[in-house]
Amino acid sequence: AQSVSQHNHHVILSEAASLELGCNYSYGGTVNLFWYVQYPGQHLQLLLKYFSGDPLVKGIKGFEAEFIKSKFSFNLRKPSVQWSDTAEYFCAVRGLDGNNRKLIWGLGTSLAVNP
Amino acid sequence: KAGVTQTPRYLIKTRGQQVTLSCSPISGHRSVSWYQQTPGQGLQFLFEYFSETQRNKGNFPGRFSGRQFSNSRSEMNVSTLELGDSALYLCASRTGTGDGNTIYFGEGSWLTVV
Repeated sequence: AQSVSQHNHHVILSEAASLELGCNYSYGGTVNLFWYVQYPGQHLQLLLKYFSGDPLVKGIKGFEAEFIKSKFSFNLRKPSVQWSDTAEYFCAVRGLDGNNRKLIWGLGTSLAVNP
Repeated sequence: KAGVTQTPRYLIKTRGQQVTLSCSPISGHRSVSWYQQTPGQGLQFLFEYFSETQRNKGNFPGRFSGRQFSNSRSEMNVSTLELGDSALYLCASRTGTGDGNTIYFGEGSWLTVV
């Protein structure tokens, strides 16, 4: 069965620190990959996505993610975080081989950025 | 353009009761999905509807059901509520069921079962 693992459940950083959130998935075929963010009191919104092509994907607000197929990973990065990046971050994967193309979600990583 | 709208935002129910949650998708979106979000289990897919037909289903018991109307609005129903059903229920919409369609989430309905 497909699964998505986000290794860090809680991350605390100071402003200007660099961020990397891990995401690994278990699925042997072709995938679509997503990172969503949920700011306090707001709805989930798309940060970035990978469908095909350049494995380094740029998203909104200075975020990027790199798809490494051999490692089944799609880690999220930001070189310098801001207090406003405090939020919950979710990685999601959709397997494309077969009829059941549900989005499978990680449990999320809670990021707190101290000013 | 209005986003995905869910009602009610908060509700408290008693064990054994049933509940109906409503979702209005973004205008022009014909696909609606439902998710259950809890701290321990994260986001879990319930079902997806497109053109009034259930297209995909997660691994939830039959107490969880849904439907979609001709105007793409959707409802989900949970019967015989259990304490473990307490969660944030999220609705998401997208234009179609193609893999390239981005999904947009509503703010959710917080359900507390006591």
